[in-house]
Order: sequence, then structure tokens, then C-alpha cells
Amino acid sequence: DTAVSQTPKYLVTQMGNDKSIKCEQNLGHDTMYWYKQDSKKFLKIMFSYNNKELIINETVPNRFSPKSPDKAHLNLHINSLELGDSAVYFCASSQSTGELFFGEGSRLTVL
Amino acid sequence: AQKVTQAQTEISVVEKEDVTLDCVYETRDTTYYLFWYKQPPSGELVFLIRRNSFDEQNEISGRYSWNFQKSTSSFNFTITASQVVDSAVYFCALRRGGGYNKLIFGAGTRLAVHP
Repeated sequence: DTAVSQTPKYLVTQMGNDKSIKCEQNLGHDTMYWYKQDSKKFLKIMFSYNNKELIINETVPNRFSPKSPDKAHLNLHINSLELGDSAVYFCASSQSTGELFFGEGSRLTVL
Repeated sequence: AQKVTQAQTEISVVEKEDVTLDCVYETRDTTYYLFWYKQPPSGELVFLIRRNSFDEQNEISGRYSWNFQKSTSSFNFTITASQVVDSAVYFCALRRGGGYNKLIFGAGTRLAVHP
């Protein structure tokens, strides 16, 4: 069983559309994250949830809205997609100060 | 402010060479955690090691070893007898103690191991 799984793996869409990425973890961790990896491979945190509560919200446009229905799921919805949103989005989970376990990434391409 | 610097953008070696990837961090915290991750060409992020600030013992795992030195704020990673499968981007990361959950990544070092 995959520990952290995210879907879809690939998204190709037009500017202005809305899209969602789903993430689920079966590790029993209490904290989940979204990271964005740009074309230069730089990894930057976007959001973090602890037991369904938002605890980190970096400077991210409000077109990005995370939702955590329970502590095993963290979804990311993006409205009005822009060219600059093209990136790989990684979901991750951790327990307390432990290491982060990452999903395989979702590559978003905005045309 | 917390910061991680990986000054080597790209390293190219021939198989069986030893290679060291540098990582320098900045933090004012006394409790913190350091990590290394590997991102192979397939794209996933693979956890390699976690150290806490109170444990300066070096660690060896097979061909991998890590040298943590608080005096120089460095957490370097050495691969001995490199192999083609070691080709990847390697990230060093820092997390504050005290319940902070954010992992701050360095810019990564791309390692290319040639046959």
C-alpha cells in the first residue's frame, strides 16, 4: 500500500480553469502538507494542517484553497489557473517532528 | 531566520569516485532537526536521514555517511564509491524544534554519476 498517495499524477489544463488535487495518507500521521516544486526544483511549503486544522499558510494566492476533511486527507483546489501555477505539487505527511513522507507528486501544466 | 544553503548546484563524477554534498544551515534555535532527501529522475522525494541538534554523532549507512558539525553549522553528505543509480537531486532541509512543522529546503544539488 502506498503511504502517501496523490491524484492525479498529471494535469494539463487551460488558463482560467479550476482544478483539484487529492491526497491521502495511511500512516496515521497527524500533520499533512502541500509543497510546490518549481521548474528549478526549488521546494517551498504552501500549507500545513495538523489534525484538520490549518497551521501554516505561506504567502500563497487565495486562488489556492486547501481542505482537510479528516486527518488522513488533504486536498488542494486551485481556481482561475495561471501560467505561473505550472509546477509539481507534492503532498506530504509527518508525525510530530519526524521526517516528512512525500507522495509521488502531481505535475500541473497550465497552457 | 532559518536558512539552508547548498552551494553546489551540480556535481559530476565518474562511477566509483567518492563525492561530498555540502549543506550549511542557519538557525538561532537550540533545538532543530536536519534532513536529507533524494529526488531521482523519476521525481519522488525519498527520505534519507534525520538528525536532531543534540546528536552530533556521524552516521554511516552503507555507502552513505553524514557529517554533522554544529561548530560550522554544516551537515554534509558523502557517497562512497558512487554508482550511476546515485544520480539524483539531493536536498538538505531544516526544521525548527518546539513543534514547528515547516521543513525548509535548500536549493538542492544535482549529482550526475557517469559510467
